[in-house]
Formats: sequence, structure tokens, C-alpha cells
Amino acid sequence: QVQLVESGGGVVQPGVSLRLSCAASGFTFSNYGMHWVRQAPGKGLEWVAFIRYDGSNKYYADSVKGRFTISRDNSKNTLYLQMNSLRAEDTAVYYCAKDATDLVAAATGFDYWGQGTLVTVSS
Amino acid sequence: SYELTQPPSVSVSPGQTARITCSAAALPKQYAYWYQQKPGQAPVLVIYKDSERPSGIPERFSGSSSGTTVTLTISGVQAEDEADYYCQSADSSGTVVFGGGTKLTVL
Repeated sequence: QVQLVESGGGVVQPGVSLRLSCAASGFTFSNYGMHWVRQAPGKGLEWVAFIRYDGSNKYYADSVKGRFTISRDNSKNTLYLQMNSLRAEDTAVYYCAKDATDLVAAATGFDYWGQGTLVTVSS
Repeated sequence: SYELTQPPSVSVSPGQTARITCSAAALPKQYAYWYQQKPGQAPVLVIYKDSERPSGIPERFSGSSSGTTVTLTISGVQAEDEADYYCQSADSSGTVVFGGGTKLTVL
């Protein structure tokens, strides 16, 4: 069965960096685009970034563009999110999610989600 | 930019039908997806490509599309359906948009 397990969250001060990881299993990781989605406490879902199945295209929400970088290692079935210059407004649960459609260049929807990892940015 | 608008809340009694709409403000949308999220849990896909139901999702969940509005319908609502529901689509530039979410209350 599909499993997505996020790690790397924690409490950090504003301005520092953090890298999240998502270990995937139960499907052919290299055939699917992957996403990061976040949810601030008590708020709705916010899409953060998408990476194409082969890593050749990446897309970002305006709120994180220039600060966050999505990447993947298909040999390790792992997705990453490098977060730099963190701000208080980046505080959220970060979910890794699998795109619903294989071998496509653009995002569609999400058919599986991890349980999330909490990132708290506070001084 | 692309926006999806949902009602903040919908309330129904058990056994009734709940309808949650999701409207695109501008250009015709691409396919819509719907997610159910219960407190403290990750979202779960309940409808994809406007009207398709994933395996394991009860038949009382259905989706439809008309113009730039999609609708999630839950027929014969049960207490366990109380949750937040989010619509989502992707625009032609490759970015993804969520609606603001609708809290479904089962009275």
C-alpha cells in the first residue's frame, strides 16, 4: 500500500533553514509528480510546491518562491523540501502528497497524503 | 490569479443531502478534486476529475460539474461525514489552488 512518511519538522527561529524529507513506498515513485502542501494552525490547506516525476519541472506558490526548493531523489524514493529564511507565517503542518496522475508534466490532484510534520517558526 | 470559492459552512441533518459548491472566479477550471479532512488527520481524496470516486469511498459521495462550478454531493449524510471539505484544481501555469474549505456540520 502507498505510504508517505514525512520527517524533519521542529521548532526553529526566524531566518534559519530546515529541510523536510518524505519517504515514499508502495508505488513507482519515479512515475509520479509529488507535492508539498501545508496547513497553518486552524487554517485551510495551502499548496506549497510541485515537482514533476522526473524532477525536470518545479512550481511554487508565490508565498514561498525564492525561499523554498523542492527536490527528489528517485533512486531513494524520497522527496525533499529545503526551506530557507523561515518566517513566523511558515508555521504549519507540512504534508507530502502524491499526484494522482502518472507521467504528466503538470500537477493534477492528490490521491495519497502523508501524516504531516509540524514546523514551528518562533523566536 | 486563479481562485476557488466555497461556502464556509454547510449544515444538514442525518439522512439528508449535503451539497458543497466550489466556484472558479475566472477562466474555466480544469478538473476538480475534493478532499475530506477530519480534525487531527490528513486529508483524504473523496472525488477526483470532477465526478470520479476512488475505491473505498462510499457511494453516497458524488461530484458534478457545470460551467465554472463543481459540486460535492453527500447523499444520506451520516454523523461520520462531519468534517472539513476542500476543493482543489490546477491552473494552466502548473500551480495548484485550493478552495477555502467548507465545514460540514451534521445536526
